[in-house]
Amino acid sequence: QVQLVESGGGVVQPGRSLRLSCAASGFSFSSYAMHWVRQAPGEGLEWVAVISYDGSTKDYADSVRGRFTISRDNSKNTLYLQMNSLRAEDMAVYHCARVVNSWLGYWGQGTLVTVSS
Amino acid sequence: QSALTQPRSVSGSPGQSVTISCTGTSSDVGGYNYVSWYQQHPGKVPKLMIFDVSKRPSGVPDRFSGSKSSNTASLTISGLQAEDEADYYCCSSAGGYTYVFGTGTKVTVL
Repeated sequence: QVQLVESGGGVVQPGRSLRLSCAASGFSFSSYAMHWVRQAPGEGLEWVAVISYDGSTKDYADSVRGRFTISRDNSKNTLYLQMNSLRAEDMAVYHCARVVNSWLGYWGQGTLVTVSS
Repeated sequence: QSALTQPRSVSGSPGQSVTISCTGTSSDVGGYNYVSWYQQHPGKVPKLMIFDVSKRPSGVPDRFSGSKSSNTASLTISGLQAEDEADYYCCSSAGGYTYVFGTGTKVTVL
């Protein structure tokens, strides 16, 4: 079955960097676009970034553009999110998600990023 | 890339119907028939309830229905049950591979 397992979250100071990973299994990872979605504590869902199946196309929410970079390694079935210049408002649970046709059909449990001095 | 607008909360008694609106623009909700709805209980991963505006995944009760008119999508829960108490989010394609979520609605069963 499809499994998405995020890792790499933790406590980081404002202005510092962090890299999240998402290990995928149970499907042909290299055939699907992948997304990151985040949810700040007590807040709603926010779409963050997407990468096409082959990594050739990437797009970002305006709130993270220029600071975050999405990437993937299809040989390792792994999705990444490099987060630079972190701000307090980036504090959230970060989920990776896989599209099914036109919707986000599979979600990982998420990894918590805490931005605090 | 503004969030889609949803009411902060709606409530109803068991057995009643509630409707949640989701208002966007012609660049998202109005431009694509790719609106989905997610139910989220506290501490849980969002669960898909409706996709492609009005289609239900297998296993989702037919009490849940979706529709769209112009730039506004709606989720209706008929015959409200206690277990329907949760947060609900709409989500729309916004062009290319991108998505935009709604602001979220808390459904309370009185």
